[in-house]
Amino acid sequence: AQSVTQPDIHITVSEGASLELRCNYSYGATPYLFWYVQSPGQGLQLLLKYFSGDTLVQGIKGFEAEFKRSQSSFNLRKPSVHWSDAAEYFCAVGPTGFQKLVFGTGTRLLVSP
Amino acid sequence: KAGVTQTPRYLIKTRGQQVTLSCSPISGHRSVSWYQQTPGQGLQFLFEYFSETQRNKGNFPGRFSGRQFSNSRSEMNVSTLELGDSALYLCASSWGSGSGDEQFFGPGTRLTVL
Repeated sequence: AQSVTQPDIHITVSEGASLELRCNYSYGATPYLFWYVQSPGQGLQLLLKYFSGDTLVQGIKGFEAEFKRSQSSFNLRKPSVHWSDAAEYFCAVGPTGFQKLVFGTGTRLLVSP
Repeated sequence: KAGVTQTPRYLIKTRGQQVTLSCSPISGHRSVSWYQQTPGQGLQFLFEYFSETQRNKGNFPGRFSGRQFSNSRSEMNVSTLELGDSALYLCASSWGSGSGDEQFFGPGTRLTVL
């Protein structure tokens, strides 16, 4: 069965510092991988997705993620964090694309001044 | 273009009652999926409807059911509520049910079972 692990429950980053959120997945075939962000009182917003091709994918709001098959990882990065990035971030895998997503437990990002 | 709308936004029920949640997808979208979000279990897929047919179902008991209408609006129903059903229920819509059809999520309905 597919599964997603986000080892960090909380991360605190200073504004302007770089960010990396970790995600490891377990799936037998080449997965469809996603990162979503959820702000308080909001639904989930798609940041980026990996289906195939270039293993470094660019997303919205300056985020990028790198697919590493050998490490079963899909870590999310941002070079310079803004206070508005404080939110909860979810990594997900989809066995058939966007449908029937399997989510990780999320990482809550706190941004300090 | 209006986003996904979920009603009500907040709901309080007692154990044993039943509840119906509603989701209006983005105009033109034909697929609706439902997810349950709890602190303990995280985000879990409930089911997906496309053109009024259930296409996928998650691992939830039969107390959880849903349907989709001809205008693509969807409802989910939970019968005989249990305390553990307290959660944020998220609805997502997409144009189709294909691998590349991005899902857009609504703000959710917060259900509290007392």
